[in-house]
Amino acid sequence: SAVISQKPSRDICQRGTSLTIQCQVDSQVTMMFWYRQQPGQSLTLIATANQGSEATYESGFVIDKFPISRPNLTFSTLTVSNMSPEDSSIYLCSGAAGGPLDTQYFGPGTRLTVL
Amino acid sequence: DAKTTQPNSMESNEEEPVHLPCNHSTISGTDYIHWYRQLPSQGPEYVIHGLTSNVNNRMASLAIAEDRKSSTLILHRATLRDAAVYYCILGTSNTGKLIFGQGTTLQVKP
Repeated sequence: SAVISQKPSRDICQRGTSLTIQCQVDSQVTMMFWYRQQPGQSLTLIATANQGSEATYESGFVIDKFPISRPNLTFSTLTVSNMSPEDSSIYLCSGAAGGPLDTQYFGPGTRLTVL
Repeated sequence: DAKTTQPNSMESNEEEPVHLPCNHSTISGTDYIHWYRQLPSQGPEYVIHGLTSNVNNRMASLAIAEDRKSSTLILHRATLRDAAVYYCILGTSNTGKLIFGQGTTLQVKP
C-alpha cells in the first residue's frame, strides 16, 4: 500500500492568485493522477502526472491553468493558476505503485476556497 | 470511456447484507470493473476489482454478470462505518485512468 499526503490541507485565496498543491507518497509509485471534486459532486480527472515529461490532460483542462510537475516517483505538484471562485473545489492526488490495473491510493485532498 | 449507471442512493440496516448494483452495458472486452468508496471528508479508497469472474476479498464480494453488462458489489454485513459513496468504475488495462460516475450514496441505519 501507499500513504499519500497533501499540502496544504486547505486554503483560502484571492481571485487572480495562484496556489501550488503538493502531493507526497511514502513509496515509489508508477502512476500519479490529479482530480477535482466540486462541492457535492463526484471526482473529475484533471490529468495524469508523468515523471520527467509533460502531464497528460483530460478534455476541458489545460496546462496554462493547471500546470503539473512530477520530478520523481514520489512527488508531484498541481498549480491552480489565476484563480476564480469557480476553482473552489477539493483537489486530490492519487498514486498506483504497479501498472494501470494496480490499486490507486488517494490523498486526503486539499480544500480550496477562492474569494 | 465506457459509462456506468448506479442508483443515486440506497439504505441498509446495520449487520444486514447490502447489494449495490452497477450497469455498464457498453463495457469493452478489456475493461476491468473497479469499485471504490469515499467516506465523508476523505479521499476514495479501493474496495475491489474484477474482469470476468466473481471476486472476494476481506471487504466485499464482486458478482459480475455472465455478459459483463452489469455487476453487483456485496457487503456481507453492513456496519455504520460502511456509510459512504460507492463508485463503480470501468478501467482499461493500458492507461490506469479512473473515470468516476456519480456513485451510490449508502446510508446504514443502526
